[in-house]
Amino acid sequence: QLQLQESGPGLVKPSETLSLTCTVSGGPIRSNTYYWGWIRQPPGKELEWIGSIYYSGNTYYKPSLKSRVTISIDTSKNQFSLKVRSVTAADTAVYFCARDRHDYGGKGVYNWFDPWGQGTLVTVSS
Amino acid sequence: SYELTQPPSVSVSPGQTASITCSGNELGATYACWYQQKPGQSPILVIFQDNKRPSGIPERFSGSNSGNTATLTISGTQAMDEADYYCQAWDSSTVAFGGGTKLTVL
Repeated sequence: QLQLQESGPGLVKPSETLSLTCTVSGGPIRSNTYYWGWIRQPPGKELEWIGSIYYSGNTYYKPSLKSRVTISIDTSKNQFSLKVRSVTAADTAVYFCARDRHDYGGKGVYNWFDPWGQGTLVTVSS
Repeated sequence: SYELTQPPSVSVSPGQTASITCSGNELGATYACWYQQKPGQSPILVIFQDNKRPSGIPERFSGSNSGNTATLTISGTQAMDEADYYCQAWDSSTVAFGGGTKLTVL
């Protein structure tokens, strides 16, 4: 059974870089079926997709975050990572990693996230 | 960016049918999926590709998508179904989530 686990600092100072890693167990991250994604959720608010990465390193990001975000992948460690630069209090959130399945049907490309990691709270504060 | 709109809250009596809507411009022209999130937990997928249930999701969960609206329907709602529900769709190489709907079973 595939499992994902987020790890990284729970507290980051304003203007610094938030760095998180997602470790995948129970299956290879090197798969031509799946992307691997990051989603966040500010306390009491809705889910916000950040971006996703393919094992080859191909990425796609939410346009409004693209200038501050980098997602990378290490297939040898079965891990993928997130960096968010120049953070502010607005980046305080629970950060989830998830498997991002893409498929193609009669209505074109679509995707869904399953399973998800348990999430990790990152607070931006001095 | 693509916007998906959900009602903030829906209430239902135990045993009755709950319907949660998700609206977006020509949403029916793409596929929608739905997640359930209980307090303090990570989301779980309950519907994908408009109306398909992942393994382990009860048959009382169903979905539809047409025109500008996708709908998650929970038949015979149980107390354990009380949660936040989020719709999600893919559009122009980006992912959009709805704002979430709090389902109260009372």
